[in-house]
Amino acid sequence: EAGVAQSPRYKIIEKRQSVAFWCNPISGHATLYWYQQILGQGPKLLIQFQNNGVVDDSQLPKDRFSAERLKGVDSTLKIQPAKLEDSAVYLCASSLVRQYNEQFFGPGTRLTVL
Amino acid sequence: AQKITQTQPGMFVQEKEAVTLDCTYDTSDPSYGLFWYKQPSSGEMIFLIYQGSYDQQNATEGRYSLNFQKARKSANLVISASQLGDSAMYFCAMRDDRGSTLGRLYFGRGTQLTVWP
Repeated sequence: EAGVAQSPRYKIIEKRQSVAFWCNPISGHATLYWYQQILGQGPKLLIQFQNNGVVDDSQLPKDRFSAERLKGVDSTLKIQPAKLEDSAVYLCASSLVRQYNEQFFGPGTRLTVL
Repeated sequence: AQKITQTQPGMFVQEKEAVTLDCTYDTSDPSYGLFWYKQPSSGEMIFLIYQGSYDQQNATEGRYSLNFQKARKSANLVISASQLGDSAMYFCAMRDDRGSTLGRLYFGRGTQLTVWP
């Protein structure tokens, strides 16, 4: 069974530029999550999708972050414009349903904002 | 308020010995889930073990067991017979089982485990 795929693995940009991350969850998983992991901390949820609808985006900085999940499969997370404090690893995860007893994580995208 | 507390920034254990990583959590909801993940230096989050709040028995997965003490709100991870490959960051997490935040995982700050020969 293929795992959660993410790209790119690494990205370096300058502040005020825009960047986009892509995630392909495990086939058949209805729920998709984006987490931000700042160095030295645990991951923090940014947004959660159930199929192609947003069910939890209360921790997403909506002035600069946006995300979509077209057709309930792949998802894209965008930052525009980026700030220095956005430097982090962005992790995508998926699960069969929201209350499932396992969330599978992708390898993450390490973003550096200069 | 912090929902997950991991008080051990770093732990050291000799190969083949057992080690306990501490985790306490805070919630007033009766229904929740508890997770442990391993994050090697390569960065991926590897699922280790899950415990539901209504599960009567402690969860076990191979060398991993979760010491679930509901009244004390603790969910410690026990790794038996440590191996060099166990060296990694370990995160405790709690899943929210209510309302709009259903499914959200709250993570602790992690414990860096080092296994020495």
